[in-house]
Amino acid sequence: RKEVEQDPGPFNVPEGATVAFNCTYSNSASQSFFWYRQDCRKEPKLLMSVYSSGNEDGRFTAQLNRASQYISLLIRDSKLSDSATYLCVVKGSSASKIIFGSGTRLSIRP
Amino acid sequence: EAGVTQFPSHSVIEKGQTVTLRCDPISGHDNLYWYRRVMGKEIKFLLHFVKESKQDESGMPNNRFLAERTGGTYSTLKVQPAELEDSGVYFCASSQDLGVGYTFGSGTRLTVV
Repeated sequence: RKEVEQDPGPFNVPEGATVAFNCTYSNSASQSFFWYRQDCRKEPKLLMSVYSSGNEDGRFTAQLNRASQYISLLIRDSKLSDSATYLCVVKGSSASKIIFGSGTRLSIRP
Repeated sequence: EAGVTQFPSHSVIEKGQTVTLRCDPISGHDNLYWYRRVMGKEIKFLLHFVKESKQDESGMPNNRFLAERTGGTYSTLKVQPAELEDSGVYFCASSQDLGVGYTFGSGTRLTVV
């Protein structure tokens, strides 16, 4: 079983739609959680950290459920520019490494 | 602030040759990480430096890979001799503090033929 699992998609939704991604992680000792965005042939870029209380940044809302070990990302009023791969990232108790999910591909159509 | 810089952006080498990748982290970032993505797989951790010391190198695939960070500034990752399965994108990332998100470089796309 992978340490971080994501639905690979692709999700193909119309502009203006709301779309949600989920991610599950296997290590209950994981400490920190993030969503990264990766455009085609580019580097991953931090989208937002995920906190237990949930957090919102504009059209993006992230939630963490420690009991069920899953993380979610909600995108409201999606834009064409939101088309990308969204990577769920988990940091364990080790100070060193972060673990990436394989990513969920999102395509927004006009 | 300059970001994380990686060089070269692309490298095509023959099997058995040596390649050295370089990463310049954001100035002042003590933590430097190497990751790689091979075809069809997720991005995977290779190793972590704190200043010039290797904090965790559990992700290094084998002894053909050698990473250094002399002086605690830039880092190099040498692959010698390269094999076909080493092809992929090698990312470097840096962070000032642990527990926060990292800033990634644009990566080096390595192709071994």
